[in-house]
Amino acid sequence: GDSVTQMEGPVTLSEEAFLTINCTYTATGYPSLFWYVQYPGEGLQLLLKATKADDKGSNKGFEATYRKETTSFHLEKGSVQVSDSAVYFCALSDLKTNAGKSTFGDGTTLTVKP
Amino acid sequence: GAVVSQHPSWVICKSGTSVKIECRSLDFQATTMFWYRQFPKQSLMLMATSNEGSKATYEQGVEKDKFLINHASLTLSTLTVTSAHPEDSSFYICSAVRDAGGGYGYTFGSGTRLTVV
Repeated sequence: GDSVTQMEGPVTLSEEAFLTINCTYTATGYPSLFWYVQYPGEGLQLLLKATKADDKGSNKGFEATYRKETTSFHLEKGSVQVSDSAVYFCALSDLKTNAGKSTFGDGTTLTVKP
Repeated sequence: GAVVSQHPSWVICKSGTSVKIECRSLDFQATTMFWYRQFPKQSLMLMATSNEGSKATYEQGVEKDKFLINHASLTLSTLTVTSAHPEDSSFYICSAVRDAGGGYGYTFGSGTRLTVV
């Protein structure tokens, strides 16, 4: 079945550092890929998404490119802020092959220190 | 647009009682909603798929008689945890699928923190 593997955390960075959180996936079809962010005690918020190969999703300075050849969707940000501290989940979903169910990675906890 | 409201955001109940959690799509119709469960510091695990007007489809290992799902309208799905026990304490999150005109999108509710004492 489909699966998502995320870089293990926790990740601790200083403010303005460069962020990369690796994500690779295994899927039978051609899924859409997502990054979600979860702040303490809250639900999930969609951060960005990409629906086909070579698409780049971007939002709030975060970017991720759908790489079919490497089955990856790494999250990057050039300069992190303290407010970016949260748990980040990589996920995939394919409406055609699995009825739209989302498969999540284990999450990566990011802590940004001033 | 594309807002999903989940209620309550947190609830504490006694063992043996039942708790109902609502998931509403406020500005779109959702024929399909999903219910997830998240244990502390873990990822989200799909519990069931809720389809409007039909029975829910449960994932392997999820007790359908314990976690009752009803999707009575295109904007509302409910999850009822029956005869709750402390091990049911968890964070429950719903998501709704919407047709985004040429694609589709998922919107998640804000989650419900259930504590069974």
